[in-house]
Amino acid sequence: QKEVEQNSGPLSVPEGAIASLNCTYSDRVSQSFFWYRQYSGKSPELIMSIYSNGDKEDGRFTAQLNKASQYVSLLIRDSQPSDSATYLCAVTTSGSRLTFGEGTQLTVNP
Amino acid sequence: GAGVSQSPRYKVAKRGQDVALRCDPISGHVSLFWYQQALGQGPEFLTYFQNEAQLDKSGLPSDRFFAERPEGSVSTLKIQRTQQEDSAVYLCASSLLNTGELFFGEGSRLTVL
Repeated sequence: QKEVEQNSGPLSVPEGAIASLNCTYSDRVSQSFFWYRQYSGKSPELIMSIYSNGDKEDGRFTAQLNKASQYVSLLIRDSQPSDSATYLCAVTTSGSRLTFGEGTQLTVNP
Repeated sequence: GAGVSQSPRYKVAKRGQDVALRCDPISGHVSLFWYQQALGQGPEFLTYFQNEAQLDKSGLPSDRFFAERPEGSVSTLKIQRTQQEDSAVYLCASSLLNTGELFFGEGSRLTVL
């Protein structure tokens, strides 16, 4: 079992819709959870962090964490073509390591 | 500097050559990470430094890979006797403290022929 698993996609949504990205992790003691966005040919950039159960909202982005289910999600409201990218879920695992999932490729169609 | 700087941005090596990839982190950032990213995959952890101490090198795929950060700032990732499977983008990231909130450089794309 991979430490961090994401739906590989690709995920395609129309402009203005809600995009939902999901991630599960295997290490029950993980404490910190992140979503990074990576545009094609570019490096990852942090867009959201979440540390406790529940929802965290930042503009059009909402991160959701459920530690009991070992599940993290990212919702993007009012999706825009500029949101088209690969979204990487990342979890702190053993020691100081930040472990990434394989990423979900999102395309927002105008 | 304003961001994490990596060089070279692109490197083509013949199989068997040694390569060195440089990372200059954001000034004052204590933590420095190296990741390897193959096409279409997520970044894979290689190694982690806190200041000059290499605290975790468990992700280095073989003893051909070596990383150092002698003065707690600039880091070098060295790959000896390169193989075709080493072809990837090598990402360096730094953070003020090890919080998981990483700032990535633009990466060094290595192609081994």
